[in-house]
Amino acid sequence: QQKVQQSPESLSVPEGGMASFNCTSSDRNFQYFWWYRQHSGEGPKALMSIFSDGDKKEGRFTAHLNKASLHVSLHIRDSQPSDSALYFCAARNTGANTGKLTFGHGTILRVHP
Amino acid sequence: EAAVTQSPRNKVAVTGGKVTLSCNQTNNHNNMYWYRQDTGHGLRLIHYSYGAGSTEKGDIPDGYKASRPSQENFSLILELATPSQTSVYFCASGDGGLGVTGQLYFGEGSKLTVL
Repeated sequence: QQKVQQSPESLSVPEGGMASFNCTSSDRNFQYFWWYRQHSGEGPKALMSIFSDGDKKEGRFTAHLNKASLHVSLHIRDSQPSDSALYFCAARNTGANTGKLTFGHGTILRVHP
Repeated sequence: EAAVTQSPRNKVAVTGGKVTLSCNQTNNHNNMYWYRQDTGHGLRLIHYSYGAGSTEKGDIPDGYKASRPSQENFSLILELATPSQTSVYFCASGDGGLGVTGQLYFGEGSKLTVL
């Protein structure tokens, strides 16, 4: 079973709109979460991390974590065409020393004018 | 900004041939990772390393070997390449360890086509 599951598979929003992504872990050991963004032809780049319950805001990006349900979300307000990309949720085993991240399958975001 | 450089960026290989993908990082990170990216599968971990001389199996290690000759360099080796290994491969480095945030810094990717 995929340990990190993302939804939706793809998303289309108008410029200036809100884009929302969801992610759930099926493993209680995976409680540290990251969001990565990958533009076409590039490597993934870290957007933000969230390790504690509640909201974390960085500019137009807000992440929310509910540790009880192992659910994390990412919201982008005032979406821009440059936000069009593949978004990954990634989780880390908090009890392991490896530093490994387990990634979801990703959500494709298209922001149209 | 952390720097991870991969080579080659594009490679076409024949079935049964040997392929070596190289990665260099200038971040002085202890940990390095090789992932492959396929549509519908996201990023999957092949091998990783804690430092020079160490290699560990990730989630999909079959058909791959890894080598970490120095802190800066980490290679992925396909001794007998197969068409199923056609993919985009990403190298990453990170500080790892307990109590550390664990951000990974990725290279730009190496696209491998096995004919």
